[in-house]
Amino acid sequence: GESVGLHLPTLSVQEGDNSIINCAYSNSASDYFIWYKQESGKGPQFIIDIRSNMDKRQGQRVTVLLNKTVKHLSLQIAATQPGDSAVYFCAENTGGFKTIFGAGTRLFVKA
Amino acid sequence: DVKVTQSSRYLVKRTGEKVFLECVQDMDHENMFWYRQDPGLGLRLIYFSYDVKMKEKGDIPEGYSVSREKKERFSLILESASTNQTSMYLCASSFGVGNYGYTFGSGTRLTVV
Repeated sequence: GESVGLHLPTLSVQEGDNSIINCAYSNSASDYFIWYKQESGKGPQFIIDIRSNMDKRQGQRVTVLLNKTVKHLSLQIAATQPGDSAVYFCAENTGGFKTIFGAGTRLFVKA
Repeated sequence: DVKVTQSSRYLVKRTGEKVFLECVQDMDHENMFWYRQDPGLGLRLIYFSYDVKMKEKGDIPEGYSVSREKKERFSLILESASTNQTSMYLCASSFGVGNYGYTFGSGTRLTVV
C-alpha cells in the first residue's frame, strides 16, 4: 500500500507447501489491485489482478483475496516451487494514472 | 510475446554527464512510465506519458526530464547526473488508465560516479 517499509519482509517456505503473501493498503478509494513478481535482475512481472467488486480471483496456482473491510490483499501460491523465489509487490490504483506500489515481500523457497 | 525493451542493462556515468535512458514498447500502448527502484523505498514514479508529446510529472521529477516523440518510445533524461541518481530505472507501459496492469522492462541499473 502507500506505507513503504524500510525493511523488506521475508517469507521462507518449503518446496511444495503453499505460500501466502500479505499486503495492507491504505487508500479506501482504491478499486483495482495487482500483484507483481520480480526476479533478481529483472523487471516486475504481472501475475494477477482483482477489481474491487470481487473478493477472490484465481489464476494458475495463484489466488488473490481482497478484503475491503480491513483493506487487506493477499496472494496465495499453491505448491510453491523454487522458480517462485522472488520479490512480490502488491499495487493499488484509484483510477487514473496513480498506481501505488508496496515495498514488496521476498519469498524464499527451500528445496 | 509483448515487450518493453530498455536499451541498456547497466550504465556507469560520471557526475555532471547528460544521460539518456531509452525505452521501447511493441504493444501499441498509450501510456508509458518511468520509475526508479531503490532498496527500502520501493518503486517511485518519475514521469509518465499518456500520449505522444504529452508528459506529466510523477512523484520525484526533479533532476529528470522525458521525451516522447513517437508512441513506442519514451526516453528518460538526466540533465546533469548526480550520485544520488544511482538507482535501478524501470520503464513500463499500459494499455489504458486505471484498471490495467503494467508491462515492465528489465530495468537499467545506473551508477553515477
